Amino acid sequence: SSELTQDPAVSVALGQTVRITCQGENLRHYYASWYQQKPGQAPILVMCGINNRPSGIPDRFSGSSSGHTASLTITGTQAEDEAVYYCNSRDSSGNYWVFGGGTSLTVL
Amino acid sequence: HLVESGGGLVQPGGSLRLSCAASGFTVSNNYMTWVRQGPGKGLEWVSVIYSGTTAFYADSVKGRFTISRDKARNTLYLQMNSLRAEDTAVYYCARVSPTTDDAFDVWGPGAMVTVSS
Repeated sequence: SSELTQDPAVSVALGQTVRITCQGENLRHYYASWYQQKPGQAPILVMCGINNRPSGIPDRFSGSSSGHTASLTITGTQAEDEAVYYCNSRDSSGNYWVFGGGTSLTVL
Repeated sequence: HLVESGGGLVQPGGSLRLSCAASGFTVSNNYMTWVRQGPGKGLEWVSVIYSGTTAFYADSVKGRFTISRDKARNTLYLQMNSLRAEDTAVYYCARVSPTTDDAFDVWGPGAMVTVSS
């Protein structure tokens, strides 16, 4: 099965912009989706498809993709954005899914 | 809206069945999936069920876990047999988005499964 690689941790100053990346060969063929998980809570979908934000997700969240890399960008990061962010996509077979290891975002 | 139940403590080699009750949409009309998260670990995809009974499993659970659903009860299940310590995790059920079919757009709060003697 394919793998998705994320940086384990990223930090950003309050109000600044941060980009979280996800790399994997299967991203050349399938979209990445992004999930936010806060301690003790279930993940929530924050981005999917081609820069599609589910209802209720602030417009400071945006997504992009190029080649084997997908990115989640938060513009004007807020304190409540501090969380672990996971990417996922279908694997190369198309019938399985795979998650990245997660990126812990710290807002300074 | 999804709510899991059936978690608990089970001995190695034992079995457990998780349930995931849905409201606001029909489980049988959607692709549904299970995801788990071991203590202090990341998310791990477990299984998916497509239309009908077509299902796929992660290699780590293949042959031991079975995903199914009950149309009348609008409920998704995960039958877990031959449980191992490494199956200890919070298990989440989720819906595969009907519009962007690669994303998991609705999640339950999770059910804890502990495999220990």
